[in-house]
Amino acid sequence: EMQLLESGGGLVQPGGSLRLSCAASGFTFSNYAMSWVRQAPGKGLEWVSAISGSADKTYHADSVKGRFTISRDNSKNTLFLQMNSLRVEDTAVYYCVKAGQSSGWYWFDPWGQGSLVTVSS
Amino acid sequence: DIQMTQSPSSVSASVGDRVTITCRASQGINSWLAWYQQKPGKVPKLLIYTASSLQSGVPSRFSGSGSGTDFTLTISSLQPEDFATYYCQQLKIFPLTFGGGTKVEIK
Repeated sequence: EMQLLESGGGLVQPGGSLRLSCAASGFTFSNYAMSWVRQAPGKGLEWVSAISGSADKTYHADSVKGRFTISRDNSKNTLFLQMNSLRVEDTAVYYCVKAGQSSGWYWFDPWGQGSLVTVSS
Repeated sequence: DIQMTQSPSSVSASVGDRVTITCRASQGINSWLAWYQQKPGKVPKLLIYTASSLQSGVPSRFSGSGSGTDFTLTISSLQPEDFATYYCQQLKIFPLTFGGGTKVEIK
């Protein structure tokens, strides 16, 4: 069974940093692109960042470009999101998601359980 | 960026009703569209991919159609467990944008 388990969320002050991790299991991690999607309280879904299976390509939403960095360690089956210069508007549940098929940028399945990031003074 | 516009934003329906949700892309995306269901407090779940392919394990009362800019998600006979929020997403071009969501509520 494919599983994605996020960790690293918490409360941070504006301007601070946080690093999210996502431990993957049940599939060949290096074969699949991965993404982060977030959902602010009571709001809709927002794609944040994506990375190819080999980590040679990364993409970020304009709202986080220059502040967030997606990366992965295929030897440890782990996805990361380094978040710097955090803003109040970054407060959200962050989901780790896997591309639905290998070798491309596909739909998201499955989704992790989510990690809450709260940016507040 | 490609804008995804869902309508309606909410719909009230009864068990057994046929429900149709539409999603319009601001430019053509071929069939690179997915639909997700999210129940309150739960993780989003994939229902439909490539506009009309039913994800394994999803009941056949769910169906998707469309290509280019106009897409629909149809629930042929609404069941109690289908009350949720539904999102479309385009996967043709980065950023991979979502629609604003459609909340299906009990009438």
